[in-house]
Amino acid sequence: QVQLQQSGPGLVRPSETLSLTCTVSGVSISSGRYYWSWIRQPPGKGLEWIGYIYYTGSTNYKPFLKSRVTISADTSKNQFSLNLSSVTAADTAVYYCASTNYYYYGVDVWGQGTTVIVSS
Amino acid sequence: NFMLTQPHSVSESPGKTQTISCTRSSGSIASHFVHWYQQRPGSAPTTVIYEDNKRPSGVPDRFSGSIDSSSNSASLTISGLRTEDEADYYCQSYDNNNHGVFGGGTKLTVL
Repeated sequence: QVQLQQSGPGLVRPSETLSLTCTVSGVSISSGRYYWSWIRQPPGKGLEWIGYIYYTGSTNYKPFLKSRVTISADTSKNQFSLNLSSVTAADTAVYYCASTNYYYYGVDVWGQGTTVIVSS
Repeated sequence: NFMLTQPHSVSESPGKTQTISCTRSSGSIASHFVHWYQQRPGSAPTTVIYEDNKRPSGVPDRFSGSIDSSSNSASLTISGLRTEDEADYYCQSYDNNNHGVFGGGTKLTVL
């Protein structure tokens, strides 16, 4: 079955770039079955959709983050990544990678989550 | 764009039935699928309902989903409540630009 394993630093300094990677097992990210997505959850708050990349390379981002977000994929490693630039304390959150089903646009599998704190 | 509004919290006794609503602010609730996720404290969410009313394998049939066009809302119903059902529940849909939209979440207390 599909499994997602996240990696990346838990502490990022303000104004720097947050970078996380999600390694996929059980399916090829080139399969076309999923949108490879990132979702975050600020402390004590709800879930917030960030965006996704599809196997074609097309991306789709939440409008208010669009200027700072890049989601990319490395098919040779079966991984996809999130870069969020110019971070502030408001970007402190648990970040989840997720496989969003192409057909019904719901999350099938979630990564384990990475707590990212933005602080100097 | 639209919002999905959920009650902040609900509570019910073990063995009873609880329904959590998710109301769409504009546009038809039936225009895009609604999904439901359960999140226990300190854990990643898991799917309990997808495509409005389908259960993933492994989710007990005590969980059911529905949509109601008259109230423009989706509902998650949990029957035979157990203490292990105590969690946060989120509804999710998407807009015409394929941007995901989450409800604010509902804290279910089983006491």
